[in-house]
Amino acid sequence: EPEVTQTPSHQVTQMGQEVILRCVPISNHLYFYWYRQILGQKVEFLVSFYNNEISEKSEIFDDQFSVERPDGSNFTLKIRSTKLEDSAMYFCASSEIARETQYFGPGTRLLVL
Amino acid sequence: AQKVTQAQTEISVVEKEDVTLDCVYETRDTTYYLFWYKQPPSGELVFLIRRNSFDEQNEISGRYSWNFQKSTSSFNFTITASQVVDSAVYFCALSEAEIYSSYKLIFGSGTRLLVRP
Repeated sequence: EPEVTQTPSHQVTQMGQEVILRCVPISNHLYFYWYRQILGQKVEFLVSFYNNEISEKSEIFDDQFSVERPDGSNFTLKIRSTKLEDSAMYFCASSEIARETQYFGPGTRLLVL
Repeated sequence: AQKVTQAQTEISVVEKEDVTLDCVYETRDTTYYLFWYKQPPSGELVFLIRRNSFDEQNEISGRYSWNFQKSTSSFNFTITASQVVDSAVYFCALSEAEIYSSYKLIFGSGTRLLVRP
């Protein structure tokens, strides 16, 4: 069964460093999303991406964040200069069309020291 | 504004008990989708069910059942004869289907279910 994959599973970084989180959505899916979950809290929407552009972003998704689909398979989230409060689990999700179910990857746990 | 409320922070039951997880939502849209996801201790988010706002029929899948009531804006989830493997955090989520919507998911705060042997 096709699934969303994410790398790395864990990342530890120093405050101020750049990180790139990678996702490979399900191959025939056209809509891509990033969410984050601070430890013990709810899952929060960051950004949605369709047709090579951002379709919606939350207020969390400030200038420090960017997304890219560099090739036909990868979907990346870059945090330019990490802060302590960026420590969270980051989930990538994809759906075939917008109103269909979003399937989530296993997440990347980011720890900023 | 869109909002999902899961008032039960944590529920503890003994194996084989039935348990119902509550979900109340708020939306201005007439077309929307409701979801339940399971987050086991390993951390991934596992899709359980999706309902659209025009389909109020209840659904049963094995030991799982869902009760959708538009009149009370609720989408409750019942596990019958709970098992230890059901221990997880369960999230209810809402997606609005307005024109040009990104269909982003708005999650509730989750209910942690602990099933004791």
